[in-house]
Amino acid sequence: AQKVTQAQTEISVVEKEDVTLDCVYETRDTTYYLFWYKQPPSGELVFLIRRNSFDEQNEISGRYSWNFQKSTSSFNFTITASQVVDSAVYFCALSEPYTDKLIFGTGTRLQVFP
Amino acid sequence: SQTIHQWPATLVQPVGSPLSLECTVEGTSNPNLYWYRQAAGRGLQLLFYSVGIGQISSEVPQNLSASRPQDRQFILSSKKLLLSDSGFYLCACRGAGVFYNEQFFGPGTRLTVL
Repeated sequence: AQKVTQAQTEISVVEKEDVTLDCVYETRDTTYYLFWYKQPPSGELVFLIRRNSFDEQNEISGRYSWNFQKSTSSFNFTITASQVVDSAVYFCALSEPYTDKLIFGTGTRLQVFP
Repeated sequence: SQTIHQWPATLVQPVGSPLSLECTVEGTSNPNLYWYRQAAGRGLQLLFYSVGIGQISSEVPQNLSASRPQDRQFILSSKKLLLSDSGFYLCACRGAGVFYNEQFFGPGTRLTVL
């Protein structure tokens, strides 16, 4: 069965600290996609990144970076020099092939204090 | 790119009353559509998905139903609401073209059943 685990329920940091959000997944599929979404207090889901299972290159986008390791079935997300605006719930998700249904983790609530 | 509309934005309903939430999509044709629910403080759970008009797959047994009367219209319904139906309901659409393996989310409907 497919599953996504985000073991960190809540993380609190002070502005400018670096923070890593963990994501571990389970799947029997050889082709799949992994995602990270941000959910600010307003509720909408903001797409952050999609990663193909065949592409293990790490990616950096500004202060955001992602570390995909197939060997450990992990897709971790790091925010460098966190800001108050980064405060949100972050979801990791795994898609099923063909239907593209998303299996979400339970989310990590990040609070960044000034 | 796709734009997803959902209404109403918020809804307060008594137990036992009917429900109809609507989702419409612009900017694409024949998309896969999805209904997710987020219970308070929890992750997102897929409720229904549709690959075409009149084609609905239910992911979990529940008090809700879905219909797709038109290509870009997806409706979530209930004949009699339960307290446990409270939550944040998100409609999503699979992307097209280079966004084929991504899902785009609407702004959501926050439902409170009293």
